Amino acid sequence: GAGVSQSPSNKVTEKGKDVELRCDPISGHTALYWYRQSLGQGLEFLIYFQGNSAPDKSGLPSDRFSAERTGGSVSTLTIQRTQQEDSAVYLCASSSSGGSSYEQYFGPGTRLTVT
Amino acid sequence: DQQVKQNSPSLSVQEGRISILNCDYTNSMFDYFLWYKKYPAEGPTFLISISSIKDKNEDGRFTVFLNKSAKHLSLHIVPSQPGDSAVYFCAASGGSQGNLIFGKGTKLSVKP
Repeated sequence: GAGVSQSPSNKVTEKGKDVELRCDPISGHTALYWYRQSLGQGLEFLIYFQGNSAPDKSGLPSDRFSAERTGGSVSTLTIQRTQQEDSAVYLCASSSSGGSSYEQYFGPGTRLTVT
Repeated sequence: DQQVKQNSPSLSVQEGRISILNCDYTNSMFDYFLWYKKYPAEGPTFLISISSIKDKNEDGRFTVFLNKSAKHLSLHIVPSQPGDSAVYFCAASGGSQGNLIFGKGTKLSVKP
């Protein structure tokens, strides 16, 4: 079956512009996560959606970052007024349920470059 | 402060030999541990996991060992194959928290 898909695969933007990154999770997966990986770093948790519950936004680095998940499926991560330190690979993952013991399936990521 | 640490950024192993990747953690609330493999330009793919109530889990050539008292886990790959060359991430989660805490990864190179 189809895995997690993300678009665009690459995005180059100028400092100060807004960007939107999209994630299509595996059909039927109720949990959706956003992570980012900066150069030479591990994956950093950003935000977590589980069903209809309020999202866990504890990992968002600043109020320039926001995310929404429409209809319990597709999610959009928005970065406003991008800065050079936002340059990273943004990864989306989904799992069949929330909680600590469910494997997460990752998309290929969106490489964001802020010039 | 890093809650999950992979202290070896890289590891080189000869084909057919054993690869041992190590991971340390600091949070005793973690109850589930996972290993992911990542190829360049791809997302991480799940490899193997272990619950904190176990000390070993085996799946084919891959075995994960957990030492709770030492807050240490390791991934053994035997025999290693050139296709195993990738970056390996250790991850942990705990309680009701769904997100994973990742280490910085270890780049494994398996030489023919």
